[in-house]
Amino acid sequence: KAGVTQTPRYLIKTRGQQVTLSCSPISGHRSVSWYQQTPGQGLQFLFEYFSETQRNKGNFPGRFSGRQFSNSRSEMNVSTLELGDSALYLCASRYTLAGLTYEQYFGPGTRLTVT
Amino acid sequence: AQRVTQPEKLLSVFKGAPVELKCNYSYSGSPELFWYVQYSRQRLQLLLRHISRESIKGFTADLNKGETSFHLKKPFAQEEDSAMYYCAPRGGADGLTFGKGTHLIIQP
Repeated sequence: KAGVTQTPRYLIKTRGQQVTLSCSPISGHRSVSWYQQTPGQGLQFLFEYFSETQRNKGNFPGRFSGRQFSNSRSEMNVSTLELGDSALYLCASRYTLAGLTYEQYFGPGTRLTVT
Repeated sequence: AQRVTQPEKLLSVFKGAPVELKCNYSYSGSPELFWYVQYSRQRLQLLLRHISRESIKGFTADLNKGETSFHLKKPFAQEEDSAMYYCAPRGGADGLTFGKGTHLIIQP
């Protein structure tokens, strides 16, 4: 079974620009979550999508948005980039069944550098 | 408020010494706690979950509901255990964040 894939793997953007990151979950996984990872803050939850609906959202400004498509693939968008947005953005997918919690499978991440 | 705390940002121990990475949680209900590990230049991956009661790579973790803790332990550290370790309530799912992580360094 193929793992979670993320594209692109590396990205360099300038302040004020916007960026779109893509995530393809493991086949059969309908839940996709996004995290921002930085040395100072560790892993911070951005949002989770399930069946094309945002199910949960972390404490990030509205510049961070996402969506999920009918094939469970997901994208996240960051508008008006700031230097502090430089981070590793991780996508994770998991199998879901009501009442049970399954582990997250993580992608390799997209390294975003804002200059 | 529901949260998980990993009090040690960095933990350095010598090879062969015991290791304990602390995780305390504040949580309503009965959480399903997980430990994730991220080795250098590798993906974040599940190490173990408390419901399985497994020992993975020599690590064990016991859920102590009285102390609301889920510490990760290994009796004899090995150099390949050097990594970032994250405690996660409910596996990080359902909008809950991971702990901030503990960077474990095993010195030769």
